[in-house]
Amino acid sequence: RKEVEQDPGPFNVPEGATVAFNCTYSNSASQSFFWYRQDCRKEPKLLMSVYSSGNEDGRFTAQLNRASQYISLLIRDSKLSDSATYLCVVKDNNDMRFGAGTRLTVKP
Amino acid sequence: SAVISQKPSRDICQRGTSLTIQCQVDSQVTMMFWYRQQPGQSLTLIATANQGSEATYESGFVIDKFPISRPNLTFSTLTVSNLSPEDSSIYLCSVSSWVGDYGYTFGSGTRLTVV
Repeated sequence: RKEVEQDPGPFNVPEGATVAFNCTYSNSASQSFFWYRQDCRKEPKLLMSVYSSGNEDGRFTAQLNRASQYISLLIRDSKLSDSATYLCVVKDNNDMRFGAGTRLTVKP
Repeated sequence: SAVISQKPSRDICQRGTSLTIQCQVDSQVTMMFWYRQQPGQSLTLIATANQGSEATYESGFVIDKFPISRPNLTFSTLTVSNLSPEDSSIYLCSVSSWVGDYGYTFGSGTRLTVV
């Protein structure tokens, strides 16, 4: 079993749609959780951390369920500029474990 | 958060040669990390570069193939040795950032093509 598993994608959605990505992780002792965004031919950039209480940043909402070892990212009112690959990342001590990423394409 | 300058941004190398990648950080950081991202894949940790001691390598990566230097708290190099086409990949350095609950900040990456 992979340490971090994500929806395989790709997701192709129209502008304005709501899209959700899911991620599961295998290490129940994992400490921190993140969503990163990676544009084509660019480095990953931190989108948001994920907290147990759930957290929101504008159109983006992240949730964590420690009991189910499950992380989600919800994007509302999708924009063309949201097109990217979204990486689920789990941190164990100082080790960051990356999911394979889910590619999102938002179309006009 | 830290700003990382990674060089070169890309290179095309012959089989059997080596490429050294440099990362310079604008602040002192305890640990720097080197990742590989193969085409269409996610990131795989190669090693953790520690200042004043040898790098710590992940399973499947060895010092002879990927020697790392960490002469001070702001700089590190990764060398990919004895290149083969299978080494064609993107290599990224990263550091732990004070932004966002200690997520990592990445350099802009080095795209290596071995011919």
